[in-house]
Amino acid sequence: AQKVTQAQTEISVVEKEDVTLDCVYETRDTTYYLFWYKQPPSGELVFLIRRNSFDEQNEISGRYSWNFQKSTSSFNFTITASQVVDSAVYFCALSEGPYSNSGYALNFGKGTSLLVTP
Amino acid sequence: DVKVTQSSRYLVKRTGEKVFLECVQDMDHENMFWYRQDPGLGLRLIYFSYDVKMKEKGDIPEGYSVSREKKERFSLILESASTNQTSMYLCASKTVFEQFFGPGTRLTVL
Repeated sequence: AQKVTQAQTEISVVEKEDVTLDCVYETRDTTYYLFWYKQPPSGELVFLIRRNSFDEQNEISGRYSWNFQKSTSSFNFTITASQVVDSAVYFCALSEGPYSNSGYALNFGKGTSLLVTP
Repeated sequence: DVKVTQSSRYLVKRTGEKVFLECVQDMDHENMFWYRQDPGLGLRLIYFSYDVKMKEKGDIPEGYSVSREKKERFSLILESASTNQTSMYLCASKTVFEQFFGPGTRLTVL
């Protein structure tokens, strides 16, 4: 069975601080996909990134960066120089590969609520 | 532009009513999903569908059923709504690697 753990329920930072959101996963599959989604107060889920299990390269997109480490089963998300608009709930999710019978359904963590104050 | 729409943003129903939540995608995707979101629990999978008339149970299917008569439409049915089904319901469809979510329906069962 697969599982995603986001141990941080809530984080509060002051604008311009860097913040890292942790994600630890469990799966028996050798092929799987990891995701991060953002859910702002409006409620809509916004896709941020997908990473497949064969690609351990870290990724940077503007102020966002992701650190994928298979050795520790972690896929952490860092926001550099946080802004008030980053305030949202962030979800990490895992999808099994093509040989599972899950239809690529996402298994979500419980989310981390990030509050960035001015 | 990718689009997943859900029939209502807010819905209020009474206990025992039959409730239909509709989801439509315009991307010709085969796989569609229904999740519910509750505070502190994240999103949990209710049902998914591989194709027309195909359906599979997710993690929490009890009290729900689904219908997929056309590829673009995936309906979630609450046969007899109960107060513990008060929640945010999110529909999604997917390409090979990415899921696109609708705006969600916040259902309140009184």
